[in-house]
Amino acid sequence: DVKVTQSSRYLVKRTGEKVFLECVQDMDHENMFWYRQDPGLGLRLIYFSYDVKMKEKGDIPEGYSVSREKKERFSLILESASTNQTSMYLCASSFGVGGPSTGELFFGEGSRLTVL
Amino acid sequence: RKEVEQDPGPFNVPEGATVAFNCTYSNSASQSFFWYRQDCRKEPKLLMSVYSSGNEDGRFTAQLNRASQYISLLIRDSKLSDSATYLCVVYSSASKIIFGSGTRLSIRP
Repeated sequence: DVKVTQSSRYLVKRTGEKVFLECVQDMDHENMFWYRQDPGLGLRLIYFSYDVKMKEKGDIPEGYSVSREKKERFSLILESASTNQTSMYLCASSFGVGGPSTGELFFGEGSRLTVL
Repeated sequence: RKEVEQDPGPFNVPEGATVAFNCTYSNSASQSFFWYRQDCRKEPKLLMSVYSSGNEDGRFTAQLNRASQYISLLIRDSKLSDSATYLCVVYSSASKIIFGSGTRLSIRP
């Protein structure tokens, strides 16, 4: 079974703090994604990566950065957390070579971030 | 207008009922379509792909209508365990995956 593991299920941070969210997948997938999910807005793509050291902006990249130094690990960084970044963050991975796949997305359990 | 739209519900139906919901998409060039299921406080998981000819998986039937640009999900003989949020997912291109905001379904005994 594919396993996507997110480092923290629940975090509480203060405005201005730097936040790291880590995601690890164990199926050698090329593609990895970070989404945030908010009530009524659905899942919105923040960043995605096709390969190590590659990254592409999604629909809402402002205020976020990412890092993919190893194939299995994709990190989301909030340089200076703000209250409007309070949300559920979901990492996903999928199989695909040379670009996003058209196949199944496997999600981690999510990280619920509260910024005070 | 949202690129992918779903009726948010909630749909509240009795056990054993048949329920259907639709999802409309705006990009006529969209390539692939899926239904995901998300239980409360859990991550989304793939329920089924949607093929042009329509497809069935047990009590679940998915259909695609390219002319009217919508996909549908039909659940027959609904069970209590079907209570969840159902997410419509559209691949508008190889690099653009769009999620609907979900339809909440609640099955009552």
